Amino acid sequence: DAGVIQSPRHEVTEMGQEVTLRCKPISGHDYLFWYRQTMMRGLELLIYFNNNVPIDDSGMPEDRFSAKMPNASFSTLKIQPSEPRDSAVYFCASSLSTASTGPQHFGDGTRLSIL
Amino acid sequence: EDKVVQSPLSLVVHEGDTVTLNCSYEVTNFRSLLWYKQEKKAPTFLFMLTSSGIEKKSGRLSSILDKKELFSILNITATQTGDSAVYLCAVPFSGNTGKLIFGQGTTLQVKP
Repeated sequence: DAGVIQSPRHEVTEMGQEVTLRCKPISGHDYLFWYRQTMMRGLELLIYFNNNVPIDDSGMPEDRFSAKMPNASFSTLKIQPSEPRDSAVYFCASSLSTASTGPQHFGDGTRLSIL
Repeated sequence: EDKVVQSPLSLVVHEGDTVTLNCSYEVTNFRSLLWYKQEKKAPTFLFMLTSSGIEKKSGRLSSILDKKELFSILNITATQTGDSAVYLCAVPFSGNTGKLIFGQGTTLQVKP
């Protein structure tokens, strides 16, 4: 079975540019999560969706970040304008149920570098 | 405030050694604890624990939960270089949400 698929794998861009990260969750999973991982702060939840509806975006750093899930098989995380401090690995994860009853499955991540 | 703390933060051992990784937590409404292994890419799921005292085992890895003392341990016996990774512990936030809070991770290096 295909796991969570993220694209691109790597992104290098200059500050001020718009960045769009993409995620295809595991088919049938109704929860989708976006995380950011840095050495300083570890793995942080940015936002999560249930049945394509954003449930909690309290982890989104600021208005420059936005996420959408137009259908059950696709989500995007957008940063506009990007800044060097946004450099991190961004992971998407999906799960069949809530965190208390089943594990989240992670994609391989997008390594983002903002110059 | 919900919190997950792992120790040690890093560990260097030699092949064949046994290691124990610790995860302590504070959540208002505990439901489960999860262990993940992260090599170069995505965290991969290892165990999910919900009941105290019941050991979960997969090959050389095992884990157990103590809900009274609010911690879990992950044991790896007869370590191999392929066990080198960051091991992450996570618990769901209080409240009926899908959110996980992760510990800082333990970086394990196994030397030949």
